[in-house]
Amino acid sequence: DADVTQTPRNRITKTGKRIMLECSQTKGHDRMYWYRQDPGLGLRLIYYSFDVKDINKGEISDGYSVSRQAQAKFSLSLESAIPNQTALYFCATSDSNRVWNEQYFGPGTRLTVT
Amino acid sequence: AQSVTQLGSHVSVSEGALVLLRCNYSSSVPPYLFWYVQYPNQGLQLLLKYTSAATLVKGINGFEAEFKKSETSFHLTKPSAHMSDAAEYFCAVSDQGGSEKLVFGKGTKLTVNP
Repeated sequence: DADVTQTPRNRITKTGKRIMLECSQTKGHDRMYWYRQDPGLGLRLIYYSFDVKDINKGEISDGYSVSRQAQAKFSLSLESAIPNQTALYFCATSDSNRVWNEQYFGPGTRLTVT
Repeated sequence: AQSVTQLGSHVSVSEGALVLLRCNYSSSVPPYLFWYVQYPNQGLQLLLKYTSAATLVKGINGFEAEFKKSETSFHLTKPSAHMSDAAEYFCAVSDQGGSEKLVFGKGTKLTVNP
């Protein structure tokens, strides 16, 4: 079984709809991250959480919100989706006990906003 | 602030030829450096990492990278390309000062021609 899972894997939604992307991990890591990937732009950090009570904005948090429901679960919400939020979204985890912050990625969610 | 520059968004090589993917970083403190690989329709997988233990780092699938402080570079190489190496490669930097965030380059897509 995969250590980092994301649901759904693919989603098509309409402009203005609320959508939630979910991430779960069985690695026992305390840190979790949400990124979006756009062609030619690499990965950009949306939000990150170092523990259940800690939420931090990344470089592109506008239009997004997150919830850390448990150490193993980190959800990303788009309150009112817009077409330029069409992208590939990745969840990642890391262990604060590891000095060099190696991150482990989920398989991604491909989101299309029409 | 840290940054990563990957020279060449697309690199094409023949099967059996040398693979060289370039990465230059900017960091005000000693960095940790990573190469990740993304195969089509998959998440990111760690290829190798530099954590200051050795300047020449060996990774999976025959890849290696050399940390050159004087050139602020961490180029990825493989002596002989295989068709299965076709993927997108991302260089990332994290500082050793505890920011615990990764900054990614924009990626280099490697094509391997038969």
